[in-house]
Amino acid sequence: QLQLQESGPGLVKPSETLSLTCTVSGGSISSSSYYWGWIRQPPGKGLEWIGSIYYSGSTYYNPSLKSRVTISVDTSKNQFSLKLSSVTAADTAVYYCARLVRASYGGNGGWFDPWGQGTLVTVSS
Amino acid sequence: EIVLTQSPGTLSLSPGERATLSCRASQSVSSSYLAWYQQKPGQAPRLLIYGASSRATGIPDRFSGSGSGTDFTLTISRLEPEDFAVYYCQQYGSSPFTFGGGTKVEIK
Repeated sequence: QLQLQESGPGLVKPSETLSLTCTVSGGSISSSSYYWGWIRQPPGKGLEWIGSIYYSGSTYYNPSLKSRVTISVDTSKNQFSLKLSSVTAADTAVYYCARLVRASYGGNGGWFDPWGQGTLVTVSS
Repeated sequence: EIVLTQSPGTLSLSPGERATLSCRASQSVSSSYLAWYQQKPGQAPRLLIYGASSRATGIPDRFSGSGSGTDFTLTISRLEPEDFAVYYCQQYGSSPFTFGGGTKVEIK
């Protein structure tokens, strides 16, 4: 079955750039039925959608983070990546990657299934 | 941005009891584009319901979703020990896609 796995540094210094990669296995990232997304969860708090990408490279981001976020895709490696710049302690969170199942043809909204196990990124000097 | 408010914050129930969780949206969620997730400690969220009322693959039929517009409900007909967890709703009708703050279902 489809599996997603996040990878990247667990510790990032303030003002630097957080970089994570999600590797998709058991299926192709190049499917017209799905987008691929990043979601984060600060310790003890709720979930926040960061942004999503289509295999063609089309992206859309949460406006609250848009100025600092870049999501990219590498179909040859079946991976997609997240970069979040100018991080602060408020960006400390578990970061999840997930497949976004499109709710309608041509739309970019949908539900997330499945999810990766998540990776904790701590922002600290 | 659509704000989702979940209530109650915590629900204390015993195994075998019925759980009713609410998710209220600040504006109408188009096409009932609402999902529910279950999250256990140290684990990623798991999809339970999409389209407000469609169960995801492998989800037991004791889980059901209902509602439309601004008011949605997740019902667990008879709580099993493995159902004690945090539940989140998510709307995907308009960007940015947003999640509710969660309802914790704990053992009474």
